[in-house]
Amino acid sequence: DTAVSQTPKYLVTQMGNDKSIKCEQNLGHDTMYWYKQDSKKFLKIMFSYNNKELIINETVPNRFSPKSPDKAHLNLHINSLELGDSAVYFCASSQGLAAHIFEQFFGPGTRLTVL
Amino acid sequence: QKEVEQNSGPLSVPEGAIASLNCTYSDRGSQSFFWYRQYSGKSPELIMFIYSNGDKEDGRFTAQLNKASQYVSLLIRDSQPSDSATYLCAVYSPNAGNMLTFGGGTRLMVKP
Repeated sequence: DTAVSQTPKYLVTQMGNDKSIKCEQNLGHDTMYWYKQDSKKFLKIMFSYNNKELIINETVPNRFSPKSPDKAHLNLHINSLELGDSAVYFCASSQGLAAHIFEQFFGPGTRLTVL
Repeated sequence: QKEVEQNSGPLSVPEGAIASLNCTYSDRGSQSFFWYRQYSGKSPELIMFIYSNGDKEDGRFTAQLNKASQYVSLLIRDSQPSDSATYLCAVYSPNAGNMLTFGGGTRLMVKP
């Protein structure tokens, strides 16, 4: 029944490790997103992606890469984790790419802690 | 740097009162404005959006937009303890690509 799901819910890892967060949506949406929410609650877009276009927020380090095996999945891979990567990561999806038109539905979030 | 600013709060109101949440934005080219509610430990959910100057009402919620002054507000009438959450303002501008820019949110506490 869950519209947008993420795994794992919690992720604790050491600096320098590589990790992935998985996201799946069963809404039939064409567009998916990754957001980072820091400790001060600022929610920042990292990527938006559909089968035609990947839009990358220019502030995102290239250690972060989205990987989409199909339209319903958008995973987030992070290389060489740093302390500053600790945050809650939200996946979202929407019917279309136009952010000003289509409502975005958020997953439950993955709390990443880098030690 | 395109910015969306909100007072972090907490904003404390008694039950039954009107809660007024404000948001200012820096990009005059911004076109669409959204209010998301986020309960502690949960994900954001959309509650209102507004495109045109003026007021838009949906139940107990009213969004107000003033593009000349570059602010958007959310009024919650007859506030309930269940409205206690963080309210995130999000702005769409074509100058920022196809992405929403979020403010840091205002934490609202409604006291019984």
